Amino acid sequence: GDQVEQSPSALSLHEGTGSALRCNFTTTMRAVQWFQQNSRGSLINLFYLASGTKENGRLKSTFNSKESYSTLHIRDAQLEDSGTYFCAAEGGTGNYKYVFGAGTRLKVIA
Amino acid sequence: DMKVTQMPRYLIKRMGENVLLECGQDMSHETMYWYRQDPGLGLQLIYISYDVDSNSEGDIPKGYRVSRKKREHFSLILDSAKTNQTSVYFCASSLSQGADERLFFGHGTKLSVL
Repeated sequence: GDQVEQSPSALSLHEGTGSALRCNFTTTMRAVQWFQQNSRGSLINLFYLASGTKENGRLKSTFNSKESYSTLHIRDAQLEDSGTYFCAAEGGTGNYKYVFGAGTRLKVIA
Repeated sequence: DMKVTQMPRYLIKRMGENVLLECGQDMSHETMYWYRQDPGLGLQLIYISYDVDSNSEGDIPKGYRVSRKKREHFSLILDSAKTNQTSVYFCASSLSQGADERLFFGHGTKLSVL
């Protein structure tokens, strides 16, 4: 069955505002990564987390393995943040087989 | 400049033809991946390779095979392509040990099987 559930499936934000994207896992995961897929289809790696919280500019991500979820916070959204955001997680076996969620389509509006 | 390169970018084939998708990386990463992405869906893992000649099936390996004879190259082969293999194929690479296992992706190959 599905191991990675992403929400929301779509989101609109006005420039300058923020929101949180979430991934829930149905099994214990060892690590999680977050990606942005831009309008050209390129996948850009935003974060890799084995635990805790990381921050990079206007983005912040948290991974709680014990409670089986990860979040990606976007603040002060800009037009170039538009795209589809994916989380990918690897189960606790350490086989590096990352399973992707279905993605969150983000549109930032001027 | 760290890079994953996929060739070709676009490919049109007829049903039953053989297809070869190639991927290269210049980061000496041990692990390489092939994923496919269909409209509105996330990426599905086809095969993973842990190093030369050390390959493992992903979630959807049926109809595909792979080859890794050099660490920097990983090929995806479709023997007798089917129309339901029309998709965008992404290659990725990563370090497998240490604190940074980030996946780096190529730009993708858009394959149409007619």
